[in-house]
Amino acid sequence: QLQLQESGPGLVKPSETLSLTCTVSGGSISSSSYYWGWIRQPPGKGLEWIGSIYYSGSTYYNPSLKSRVTISVDTSKNQFSLKLSSVTAADTAVYYCARQEIQLWLVDYWGQGTLVTVSS
Amino acid sequence: QSVLTQPPSASGTPGQRVTISCSGSSSNIGSNTVNWYQQLPGTAPKLLIYSNNQRPSGVPDRFSGSKSGTSASLAISGLQSEDEADYYCAAWDDSLNGHVVFGGGTKLTVL
Repeated sequence: QLQLQESGPGLVKPSETLSLTCTVSGGSISSSSYYWGWIRQPPGKGLEWIGSIYYSGSTYYNPSLKSRVTISVDTSKNQFSLKLSSVTAADTAVYYCARQEIQLWLVDYWGQGTLVTVSS
Repeated sequence: QSVLTQPPSASGTPGQRVTISCSGSSSNIGSNTVNWYQQLPGTAPKLLIYSNNQRPSGVPDRFSGSKSGTSASLAISGLQSEDEADYYCAAWDDSLNGHVVFGGGTKLTVL
């Protein structure tokens, strides 16, 4: 059974960089059929796709966040990571890592989510 | 402001049929398939419908999806109390090098 687990600081100061890692277990991140992505949800609000990465390193990003986002992959550790720079209170959200099927872009597996609060 | 437009709320009584709409444009729904997610309170979303009208294994056939042009709909028949949740549509958008877009979500209340 595939499992995804987010890890990283739950509190980040304004103007700093948010960093999260997703560890994949029960399957290989090097599968040719999937991208691996990040999706966030501010408290009480809807879902926002941040971006996704293929095991080869190919990426797609949300145009509205692209200038601040970097997603990377470490196939040796079966992990992928998110960096979001220059954060503000508007970046406070539950951050989910997820597996996305490559043709239909559906998300079939989600992490449990981790709340990241931006505050001084 | 979400790229895909959903009504913020919907409601129905047990046993009723409810539909939730999702409106997009030619670059997303008009040229790509639509996926729907159900999010129960305090949990991660779950894939409910994919490729416009396909149900993953384990999803009851009370849930169905359809697409026409640049709009899609999710229908829930035989409404049950456990269907009370937030529902999101999503699709690939071909503009700006390609990206995933979500609807703003619809909160379904079972009266």
